[in-house]
Amino acid sequence: NAGVTQTPKFRVLKTGQSMTLLCAQDMNHEYMYWYRQDPGMGLRLIHYSVGEGTTAKGEVPDGYNVSRLKKQNFLLGLESAAPSQTSVYFCASSSGTGAYEQYFGPGTRLTVT
Amino acid sequence: LAKTTQPISMDSYEGQEVNITCSHNNIATNDYITWYQQFPSQGPRFIIQGYKTKVTNEVASLFIPADRKSSTLSLPRVSLSDTAVYYCLVGARNQAGTALIFGKGTTLSVSS
Repeated sequence: NAGVTQTPKFRVLKTGQSMTLLCAQDMNHEYMYWYRQDPGMGLRLIHYSVGEGTTAKGEVPDGYNVSRLKKQNFLLGLESAAPSQTSVYFCASSSGTGAYEQYFGPGTRLTVT
Repeated sequence: LAKTTQPISMDSYEGQEVNITCSHNNIATNDYITWYQQFPSQGPRFIIQGYKTKVTNEVASLFIPADRKSSTLSLPRVSLSDTAVYYCLVGARNQAGTALIFGKGTTLSVSS
């Protein structure tokens, strides 16, 4: 039981490049989330999903797109990376939305130059 | 979503009990209070959750007064390995479109 895994762990992009971050969970959770964490800012919700085929915007969705084609996977895409998107990205999943225990992945450290 | 306020940092020594208080003046009737712990280079980890009075598990206790406008996470006999950032969150369960908003957290430093 791997829990929540994220791919890749590290990535360096040039401004304007695109990439996709993959999140996978093996707990059969309905709800999945993408957060970004910046120094002194805590975690901020980018997008989330309440089930396969659904997505919704969080607190800071601009510049990102997401897809949930399979229940166990939640993809975060950056179409045209900007230096402001340099951050650590965390994926999480839970069996309920809101105040249900969220299980977090190990994070992806992204640097945009 | 209810806004939370917690101290930015706290210091302690090994073996002491640490209490981190979070204020949430506009907590709603159906909101739960949840605490997460985060170590450097790791994702947050769920510690404890409660609705009212006191909740205890193998790692911590959560004290919630009757008015629920604040809550206190209690860590008994901390060790160096408890050095981490602790987040207090308030939110309802299964409210459509609801997701947790993490604040800046409390950085706990434990010294020997």
